Amino acid sequence: DIQMTQSPSSLSASVGDRVTITCQASQDISKYLNWYQQKPGKAPNLLIYDVSNLETGVPSRFSGSGSGTSFTLTISSLQPEDIATYSCQQYYSLPLTFGGGTKVEIK
Amino acid sequence: QVQLQESGPGLVKPSGTLSLTCTVSGGSISTSNWWSWVRQPPGKGLEWIGEIYHSGSANYNPSLKSRVTISVDKSKNQFSLKLNSVTAADTGVYYCARGLAGSSPFDSWGQGTLVTVSS
Repeated sequence: DIQMTQSPSSLSASVGDRVTITCQASQDISKYLNWYQQKPGKAPNLLIYDVSNLETGVPSRFSGSGSGTSFTLTISSLQPEDIATYSCQQYYSLPLTFGGGTKVEIK
Repeated sequence: QVQLQESGPGLVKPSGTLSLTCTVSGGSISTSNWWSWVRQPPGKGLEWIGEIYHSGSANYNPSLKSRVTISVDKSKNQFSLKLNSVTAADTGVYYCARGLAGSSPFDSWGQGTLVTVSS
């Protein structure tokens, strides 16, 4: 199985701050990396697919980058509605695997 | 826009079988998508359980493969999950999801249903 390791596991930032979350794969997964946003008590919501493609309706303050084994999700200016847990997911090979999640809070 | 809805018992006894159904509305289950089950233990991350294609072909997470069966009922536009020999470790929120292009990404999710394993 491909292990996905996210860091940090949680962070606290101020409104307007730039926030960066990293995701490390245990082996090369090329571009097969997605990001999900999950608000408390809700189902995950697709944010970014194939490393850097924003899902329809996702604000442009979200962006993704990386390749191979190292990936990054960036929120350019944190907003109150961005409070959520963010998870990466690889689909290079089965079984599909997720990172442990990064909980983002407002300072 | 396709919508997914999980249904099934919220309480299952230890050593019993967890059975859930996902009903797909707003679109056909007989498309080029794969349909998955994903679970989330309380306070923990997401775990992929397995997926099925409308033909009946299925893939499972090896960590659960010996206990899991996923099936599809095209006439009802539904797919189902059975997990047997459950323990407290199987407690969590269970989601059904659609793989947009093949297996992934998951672009549509059900709201999730909490299943508790307890006597």
